[in-house]
Amino acid sequence: QKEVEQDPGPLSVPEGAIVSLNCTYSNSAFQYFMWYRQYSRKGPELLMYTYSSGNKEDGRFTAQVDKSSKYISLFIRDSQPSDSATYLCAMTSFASGGSYIPTFGRGTSLIVHP
Amino acid sequence: NAGVTQTPKFQVLKTGQSMTLQCAQDMNHEYMSWYRQDPGMGLRLIHYSVGAGITDQGEVPNGYNVSRSTTEDFPLRLLSAAPSQTSVYFCASSTYPPTGTRAGNTIYFGEGSWLTVV
Repeated sequence: QKEVEQDPGPLSVPEGAIVSLNCTYSNSAFQYFMWYRQYSRKGPELLMYTYSSGNKEDGRFTAQVDKSSKYISLFIRDSQPSDSATYLCAMTSFASGGSYIPTFGRGTSLIVHP
Repeated sequence: NAGVTQTPKFQVLKTGQSMTLQCAQDMNHEYMSWYRQDPGMGLRLIHYSVGAGITDQGEVPNGYNVSRSTTEDFPLRLLSAAPSQTSVYFCASSTYPPTGTRAGNTIYFGEGSWLTVV
């Protein structure tokens, strides 16, 4: 079992839908949780990050972390065709003795059709 | 802002040939790494470095060599190319260790290098 599990999709939704993307993880030492967006034939770019548990909102995007369940989510409201991309979760620990090297999920392909 | 620059963008190699993928960053980042990305496999870490003169293996290091003689550069060498090394390669950099800020946690990726081994 990989440390970070992410359904590869593809996930196809109509424009305007609320999208939920998720990752589960097994390493309880993870403290920083990130979401990267990767457009076709481009490198990933950081979309959002959160520290420990809780929610973080940025425009149409909300990142949610539930450390008790080892589960993180990215919600996209009012999805647009321009949101079509692959979304990768990533996480790292900041604890003493922990590894700072980020661990990535496999990525979920999202298609938003007009 | 140049960020992370990878060259070449596309390359076709014959089995057994060697080559070097170049990576340079201008953000004075301590951490640099190489990933390969294959369909359904996500990003897999090949090698990484946390500073000049320091390198370590990632998840899939076999068939690849790296060195870090300067903070800016982190080349990836394919010693004897095999068809299984056909992939997209990404170089990435960040501050190290990560901090509690967006700038201190962001991993910056290059545009990718598409490699085909025939």
